[in-house]
Amino acid sequence: TQLLEQSPQFLSIQEGENLTVYCNSSSVFSSLQWYRQEPGEGPVLLVTVVTGGEVKKLKRLTFQFGDARKDSSLHITAAQPGDTGLYLCAGLQWYNTDKLIFGTGTRLQVFP
Amino acid sequence: DTEVTQTPKHLVMGMTNKKSLKCEQHMGHRAMYWYKQKAKKPPELMFVYSYEKLSINESVPSRFSPECPNSSLLNLHLHALQPEDSALYLCASSQPRTGNTEAFFGQGTRLTVV
Repeated sequence: TQLLEQSPQFLSIQEGENLTVYCNSSSVFSSLQWYRQEPGEGPVLLVTVVTGGEVKKLKRLTFQFGDARKDSSLHITAAQPGDTGLYLCAGLQWYNTDKLIFGTGTRLQVFP
Repeated sequence: DTEVTQTPKHLVMGMTNKKSLKCEQHMGHRAMYWYKQKAKKPPELMFVYSYEKLSINESVPSRFSPECPNSSLLNLHLHALQPEDSALYLCASSQPRTGNTEAFFGQGTRLTVV
């Protein structure tokens, strides 16, 4: 059973477009993290959200944690080819904060 | 320094070989993780060490044997692997049991079992 479902699974867009990636679960998480991974490399941490309803911005990326701490979203404004990669959400379960589990992933391709 | 170093970067081994993957961090983190990632899939948790003790084993076959010699080092001993064990093996570290921990990953070891 996959605890964290991401949508869409694949996204192919033109440079300059906006997009939103969703990370949903029926479980409560003590925190959620977003990573970006390029082929053959390890995931690189983008942001951690901890408080329900929290919004964090990282340049053109906006991250939101759901009020109930069960879901999160990542919005990219004016996507660039350098944003291409695999975006992964990952959560720490509130009852087992040693267990960091990953979402199903969203593969983003931005064309010039 | 937020670096997690994994060696080797690439490994090819036969099904009868014994090899080890190594991971090192100097961030003072006391939780270390092994993940397995197949092509086009998200990382799957294998093991977690917290304060040098094995806290999570996600029902991993015994041909994978983790070891945490000290708070900076994590090894994964491999023996009698199968071709389907070929994957990218990722190590990560964080502060344990904080609820809002941030995990940092190494670049991974690309393992091919022939």
